[in-house]
Amino acid sequence: DGGITQSPKYLFRKEGQNVTLSCEQNLNHDAMYWYRQDPGQGLRLIYYSQIVNDFQKGDIAEGYSVSREKKESFPLTVTSAQKNPTAFYLCASSVAQAPNEKLFFGSGTQLSVL
Amino acid sequence: RKEVEQDPGPFNVPEGATVAFNCTYSNSASQSFFWYRQDCRKEPKLLMSVYSSGNEDGRFTAQLNRASQYISLLIRDSKLSDSATYLCVVFNDYKLSFGAGTTVTVRA
Repeated sequence: DGGITQSPKYLFRKEGQNVTLSCEQNLNHDAMYWYRQDPGQGLRLIYYSQIVNDFQKGDIAEGYSVSREKKESFPLTVTSAQKNPTAFYLCASSVAQAPNEKLFFGSGTQLSVL
Repeated sequence: RKEVEQDPGPFNVPEGATVAFNCTYSNSASQSFFWYRQDCRKEPKLLMSVYSSGNEDGRFTAQLNRASQYISLLIRDSKLSDSATYLCVVFNDYKLSFGAGTTVTVRA
């Protein structure tokens, strides 16, 4: 079955450590996104990519980095510069970045700081 | 001002009741509108798109009021399985903006 796979489901980060969240899709979608969800807040866009080897910053990109070397993969690295990384991270994809395109989400990664 | 604002609730209703709630958006040029459903600590899933003329999908009815810049969702004959957080989502410029969600709890 087609879908988006995020891993791991839970991740713990130590002070000063970089961690990478995996996101893989087999839907053949061009557009991929990373969102952060904090309690009581809406999803906030971290980074997005419309095509391989290209990506743009979203609203809260500081302290994060991404790559898009393959169409199906869009990993997110939470760097030590992100001082408040504890949150639920959601990866999503769509056929294209267009007004009426449905977003498909992965099941999320809960990141916590040790 | 937030781009998308929702009443967080919770709306606590008995089975079979009707529940309705709104979402306001700040950008008058917003192009498209959606309701997503999210269960606790799971991924959001598209419930329905919202069209200018209003639309129904079974027990769910969505309305758009461009003049007042809000969308609404009405759930008729509530089921226990309708308990969830409902996210209002608006597309403008290049991206989707999400509301913080309205929590609905349906009790037996």
